Amino acid sequence: GAVVSQHPSWVICKSGTSVKIECRSLDFQATTMFWYRQFPKQSLMLMATSNEGSKATYEQGVEKDKFLINHASLTLSTLTVTSAHPEDSSFYICSARSGGTGELFFGEGSRLTVL
Amino acid sequence: KQEVTQIPAALSVPEGENLVLNCSFTDSAIYNLQWFRQDPGKGLTSLLLIQSSQREQTSGRLNASLDKSSGRSTLYIAASQPGDSATYLCGGRGSQGNLIFGKGTKLSVKP
Repeated sequence: GAVVSQHPSWVICKSGTSVKIECRSLDFQATTMFWYRQFPKQSLMLMATSNEGSKATYEQGVEKDKFLINHASLTLSTLTVTSAHPEDSSFYICSARSGGTGELFFGEGSRLTVL
Repeated sequence: KQEVTQIPAALSVPEGENLVLNCSFTDSAIYNLQWFRQDPGKGLTSLLLIQSSQREQTSGRLNASLDKSSGRSTLYIAASQPGDSATYLCGGRGSQGNLIFGKGTKLSVKP
């Protein structure tokens, strides 16, 4: 199947700093990518839909100024957690849809720990 | 609003058993349904995709069915192996293109 690469796989940062997570579709172009957040023993919750060349669409309750999403090309979307706080510590996963079947493929996830 | 429920939340079986994981959704207007496995601390690996016009899909020892009218999907795993131990998630795709997930079934296959 299609490959989605996510980087970094884990990051530890101090409170108040910003962290950028990259999501790349390696062998296909993705006009739309999705960013999810997963808490321990919980399901994946959609944070936002990233659209190439336009603004992201955020889910209710997700602060767009805190979770900045940029989808500058058909193969790259980035999520920046600004002014991170300990409550932002979580597992962030991106996904992209390969054209045709509409199947969604996921990255390996990024574990963020804010001290 | 679409809600997805997975039963059971956890399942432990001896190696070799056949098993069924259940997924139910509240809104039958789904475009497709995907089953994934997630290993601890990892992302999701797509197992099977069932389009809304299909009733089932098979891949190796895995078979997934979809009944839109009843809002249910099942994942059947034949001859389970310890390597099948993982959390299995089902996700239904709505009109917005994203997937809405259940909480998953944590499967443990004992040697």
